[in-house]
Amino acid sequence: SQTIHQWPATLVQPVGSPLSLECTVEGTSNPNLYWYRQAAGRGLQLLFYSVGIGQISSEVPQNLSASRPQDRQFILSSKKLLLSDSGFYLCAWSVGTRNTIYFGEGSWLTVV
Amino acid sequence: EDQVTQSPEALRLQEGESSSLNCSYTVSGLRGLFWYRQDPGKGPEFLFTLYSAGEEKEKERLKATLTKKESFLHITAPKPEDSATYLCAFPSNTGNQFYFGTGTSLTVIP
Repeated sequence: SQTIHQWPATLVQPVGSPLSLECTVEGTSNPNLYWYRQAAGRGLQLLFYSVGIGQISSEVPQNLSASRPQDRQFILSSKKLLLSDSGFYLCAWSVGTRNTIYFGEGSWLTVV
Repeated sequence: EDQVTQSPEALRLQEGESSSLNCSYTVSGLRGLFWYRQDPGKGPEFLFTLYSAGEEKEKERLKATLTKKESFLHITAPKPEDSATYLCAFPSNTGNQFYFGTGTSLTVIP
């Protein structure tokens, strides 16, 4: 069966510090991978999605970036965090098009 | 522009009091309507997918229905453990992205 791992689960970072969130999927090949952000009391905002290694599409221009160095690994990064980057970050995966996407447990980021 | 709107934003029910959550959509060609449950501090958990008007799916106390303009999530005789935020979503034209509504926060009071 397929599983998705996302870490760290929580982190508190000062403004201006870098960020790296990592996500890996097991049990499937060539998944579509996604990064979403959920601000307090708001809906899910799609940040990045990837249909293959090195293929990244950005939905929202900002100081975040994503990379996919391996088929089942997806990384969300920032060089300098802003207060507005605080939120709940979710990695997700799917296979094919228009099929169900499945989420990881999420990472809570607080920028102070 | 494709859009999805959920209502109400929040709903409080007494245990056993049945109700429905609404997901209205404007999509240029529906490519599936997805329902998720999200518990506080956790990632959304998949519930149902509906593809065509008239389709219904059930799971325990939940039943999802679909028309040409909206989907309903009916909750029959809810229990406190049904308390969660319920999200609906649909895929984009390319099918590689999913767009989510803002959700309905359901609280079931014992």
